[in-house]
Amino acid sequence: EAGVAQSPRYKIIEKRQSVAFWCNPISGHATLYWYQQILGQGPKLLIQFQNNGVVDDSQLPKDRFSAERLKGVDSTLKIQPAKLEDSAVYLCASSLVPDTQYFGPGTRLTVL
Amino acid sequence: GQQLNQSPQSMFIQEGEDVSMNCTSSSIFNTWLWYKQDPGEGPVLLIALYKAGELTSNGRLTAQFGITRKDSFLNISASIPSDVGIYFCAGPASSGSARQLTFGSGTQLTVLP
Repeated sequence: EAGVAQSPRYKIIEKRQSVAFWCNPISGHATLYWYQQILGQGPKLLIQFQNNGVVDDSQLPKDRFSAERLKGVDSTLKIQPAKLEDSAVYLCASSLVPDTQYFGPGTRLTVL
Repeated sequence: GQQLNQSPQSMFIQEGEDVSMNCTSSSIFNTWLWYKQDPGEGPVLLIALYKAGELTSNGRLTAQFGITRKDSFLNISASIPSDVGIYFCAGPASSGSARQLTFGSGTQLTVLP
């Protein structure tokens, strides 16, 4: 069974630029999550989708972050414009049943 | 919001030693999860606990769900080099209609040969 796929694995941009991350969840998993993991901390949930609808985006900085999950499968997370404090690993996870989440390898973002 | 406190923050142990780490919460959890994160990878679920007092093993790993439901422990016996990584505890919290995980800040484990 293929795991959660993410791309790119690494991205370096300058502040005020835009960036997008892509996630392909495990086939059949209805729930998809985007997390931000700052160095030395645990993952922090940004947004949760159930199929193609947003269940919770209360922690998403909506002035600069956006996410979509068209057709209820793949998802993209965008940051526009990026700030220095956005430097982090962005993790995508998916689940079939609550609590059992499978994570992708993450995208490491560096904002200069 | 709910916070999970993990200790210790980091550990350095000799190969073959046993190690113990714990996680405490300011509020009650009905499920405790333990994840491991290798460098450059996403977290991987190791053990899930669903009942107060439950003791569950996965190979050399053993985790316990505290009877107060506010803490959990993870033990690794006879450590080996591939045990190196960051260990996170996590618990589910409900936010509106969403059920989501809150993660601790992790315990960084280093195994010395």
